[in-house]
Amino acid sequence: AQKVTQAQTEISVVEKEDVTLDCVYETRDTTYYLFWYKQPPSGELVFLIRRNSFDEQNEISGRYSWNFQKSTSSFNFTITASQVVDSAVYFCALIPSGNTPLVFGKGTRLSVIA
Amino acid sequence: EPEVTQTPSHQVTQMGQEVILRCVPISNHLYFYWYRQILGQKVEFLVSFYNNEISEKSEIFDDQFSVERPDGSNFTLKIRSTKLEDSAMYFCASKSDFLAKNIQYFGAGTRLSVL
Repeated sequence: AQKVTQAQTEISVVEKEDVTLDCVYETRDTTYYLFWYKQPPSGELVFLIRRNSFDEQNEISGRYSWNFQKSTSSFNFTITASQVVDSAVYFCALIPSGNTPLVFGKGTRLSVIA
Repeated sequence: EPEVTQTPSHQVTQMGQEVILRCVPISNHLYFYWYRQILGQKVEFLVSFYNNEISEKSEIFDDQFSVERPDGSNFTLKIRSTKLEDSAMYFCASKSDFLAKNIQYFGAGTRLSVL
């Protein structure tokens, strides 16, 4: 079965704090793709990052970083020095294999307070 | 930067009415998708479309739903007889091709309210 679990429903932090959003996935496929999307209050889904199952290198993009660990089936997302504009719902998602649709987690609502 | 465009942004309809949600995918993209998100819940797959036919659909996508690509640019989702439980945000997404990192780009969504 393909599944994405985001155990944190809501997180609230004070501006400039670091925050990590957890994502655990399940799939039997050996080739798969993992994603993070951001949904700001305006409602659109904004693509943030994609990882394939063969690439376990961590990635950093500005204040964002992602930690992919196949051993624990996790793909966690860290925001460093959070800002109010980071307030949004963040979705972790999986494409289990080939050309299949995205399987989304339930999302984590992040509130950054000034 | 190219983007997926959805219209209208908000659609209000009476139960039992037909609605058509419209999407203009990114030019030159080949794969098209509809997803929906009931308020406060996760995003769920409805249907994917490639080469002018449905390539995959979920259990949600019953015979009340249909999709069409009537011309080279638009991709539509039709709900024949809306129910209260169809109230949701509907997202269109497109992808260039399988080799292009498998990234789906989403539109801003259409909020459908069925009264």
